[in-house]
Amino acid sequence: DIQMTQSPSSLSASVGDRVTITCRASQGITNYLAWYQQKPGTVPKLLISAASTLQSGVPSRFSGSGSGTDFTLTITGLQPEDVATYYCQKYNTAPLAFGPGTKVDI
Amino acid sequence: QVQLVQSGAEVKKPGSSVKVSCKASGGTFSNDAISWVRQAPGQGLEWMGGIIPMFGTANYAEKFYDRVRITADESTSTGFMELSSLRSEDTAVYYCARGGTTITVIRGVTRYYYSFMDVWGKGTTVTVSS
Repeated sequence: DIQMTQSPSSLSASVGDRVTITCRASQGITNYLAWYQQKPGTVPKLLISAASTLQSGVPSRFSGSGSGTDFTLTITGLQPEDVATYYCQKYNTAPLAFGPGTKVDI
Repeated sequence: QVQLVQSGAEVKKPGSSVKVSCKASGGTFSNDAISWVRQAPGQGLEWMGGIIPMFGTANYAEKFYDRVRITADESTSTGFMELSSLRSEDTAVYYCARGGTTITVIRGVTRYYYSFMDVWGKGTTVTVSS
């Protein structure tokens, strides 16, 4: 089965900073990669699908890139409301799998 | 707009089983994929398994393969996740989530693929305690 890893596991940044989170798959997954945001005490929210497609209503400061095994989520201009844990997930072929998450603080 | 309504919180004894339901409305239930994701306290998201109701066959994560059973009732647009041989480590919030599907037929062989999860239920808290 394909395993997903993320780095860093946590980070602290300032408002307005550019934040980059890395996700790696143990095997190539083309672009079948999604990013989710989970704020404390809430349900996960889909941010990005197909590695780089921003979901409707998601602020444009979020962007995704990558293909194959290496992917990144970038927040350009961190805002206080972006405090959350971010998970990558590979989909398409079962079993699906999430990365361990990256906690973002300000 | 698809909505997923999950059953209420459960408290179970170790060794017992729990069955959580997830009723969908507003979408094409049979063609969608319903996944089950759990989150233990302070931990990350774990995909347990999923099902595409029109095919009826579930897929499972290896970790849960021998203890979980995922089913779907197309007549009521409801998905179910049953976890057996419960232990304290199974204390978690269990989410159902809806995703799209891709179906291919090549040389008579049908294969189906899970898409990303765009709609989530609110979660069901399962507490395992003696």
